[in-house]
Amino acid sequence: SQQGEEDPQALSIQEGENATMNCSYKTSINNLQWYRQNSGRGLVHLILIRSNEREKHSGRLRVTLDTSKKSSSLLITASRAADTASYFCAQDGNQFYFGTGTSLTVIP
Amino acid sequence: DVKVTQSSRYLVKRTGEKVFLECVQDMDHENMFWYRQDPGLGLRLIYFSYDVKMKEKGDIPEGYSVSREKKERFSLILESASTNQTSMYLCASRKEPQPQHFGDGTRLSIL
Repeated sequence: SQQGEEDPQALSIQEGENATMNCSYKTSINNLQWYRQNSGRGLVHLILIRSNEREKHSGRLRVTLDTSKKSSSLLITASRAADTASYFCAQDGNQFYFGTGTSLTVIP
Repeated sequence: DVKVTQSSRYLVKRTGEKVFLECVQDMDHENMFWYRQDPGLGLRLIYFSYDVKMKEKGDIPEGYSVSREKKERFSLILESASTNQTSMYLCASRKEPQPQHFGDGTRLSIL
C-alpha cells in the first residue's frame, strides 16, 4: 500500500498547549494536504503545501514539508477544546492517498 | 461553497442484500471518490471517477462496483453485502488541483 502514516496515533494535551502531528508519505507528490475530521463527520480541508514549499502558515496552523525525507508536520498553536478532532495528511501525486490519522484531544 | 451530499447518514442492511450508496455534488467537479474508513486504517480508496461513465479501481475495490451516469452523481454498489463491509463510507469530489470536498459520510451496518 502507498498509504502514508501519521505519528502519534493519539495525542492528548491541555488547552493552550501546542500540538504537533507528523506525517510520513511514500510517493512523489505535487502537494501535501492536511484535513480535519470531527467525530462522525466528513473531512474538511485545512491547508495545502506545494512540493516546492518548505513551510506554510494559516492562522494557528503551521505546516512544514521535507520532500527529501518524505515527511510533513502540522503544528497547531495555542490549542482550544474545539480543536479536538482527527487530523489526516494526504499525499497528492499521481494518486491521492490519505494517512492513517492522528486523534487529538484538547482538555479544557 | 461546495456541497457534497450523501443520501443516508445511517443505514442497516442484511447480508446478501444489494446496497446502493448515493453521492451528489453541486460544483461540477470532474473527479469523485468513494472511501471507506475503519478504525486504525484511515481512509482507503475504493473507486474513483474522473469523468462521466469513467471509473478506476482504488486500493480495495473487491465486493464493490460504482456507477457515474451523470457528472454530479457517483453511486457505490455493494453487490452482495457482507458483514466485513460494515464501515463508514465517505464520498468526495474535486476539481484538480484543488483539495477534495467531503460529504458527511454514511455509517453502514451489515447484519
